[in-house]
Amino acid sequence: GEDVEQSLFLSVREGDSSVINCTYTDSSSTYLYWYKQEPGAGLQLLTYIFSNMDMKQDQRLTVLLNKKDKHLSLRIADTQTGDSAIYFCAVGGATNKLIFGTGTLLAVQP
Amino acid sequence: SQTIHQWPATLVQPVGSPLSLECTVEGTSNPNLYWYRQAAGRGLQLLFYSVGIGQISSEVPQNLSASRPQDRQFILSSKKLLLSDSGFYLCAWSVQAYEQYFGPGTRLTVT
Repeated sequence: GEDVEQSLFLSVREGDSSVINCTYTDSSSTYLYWYKQEPGAGLQLLTYIFSNMDMKQDQRLTVLLNKKDKHLSLRIADTQTGDSAIYFCAVGGATNKLIFGTGTLLAVQP
Repeated sequence: SQTIHQWPATLVQPVGSPLSLECTVEGTSNPNLYWYRQAAGRGLQLLFYSVGIGQISSEVPQNLSASRPQDRQFILSSKKLLLSDSGFYLCAWSVQAYEQYFGPGTRLTVT
């Protein structure tokens, strides 16, 4: 079945850029999403990209998609302490379900 | 605008007791609805999803069940809770196969 993988942990200093990576197996994935989860809260949709795009920028967030390698990344510019959270990659397309990665815990050091 | 509600926010229940968690969505019609569980290891496990009233798909065999009595209401139930049912339960909605929007979650502790 479909598999989505992420590294478990990333630590950066405040003001630096963060890059969170995700790989997936289903080449028919049409929609790719990034969610943010703060402690004790639900998941918040941050941004998304369609499979016919290579890049999408939204303020401090940049999503890059390498469809050939099935690799998705989320870059956060000028990372702030408020960006500390778990970030989930999710892919979908052919069914009514999204497949979520295991989440990457981003820790921002002051 | 659309909003999604879950209650209760937290729940502590003894082993063997019943469970009922409720999720309601406002501002949209005929949404897909989902129940997830997030254990301490933080991955999301899809439990049930529904594409319409009375239509429930179960993803993982377990002692939980789901029902959709109304278009925008999704209920997660159990007749007898197990210790392993503890976790953070998240409800989500979507339009067709697109992005999902999550509720605030219910923290369940089974003692």
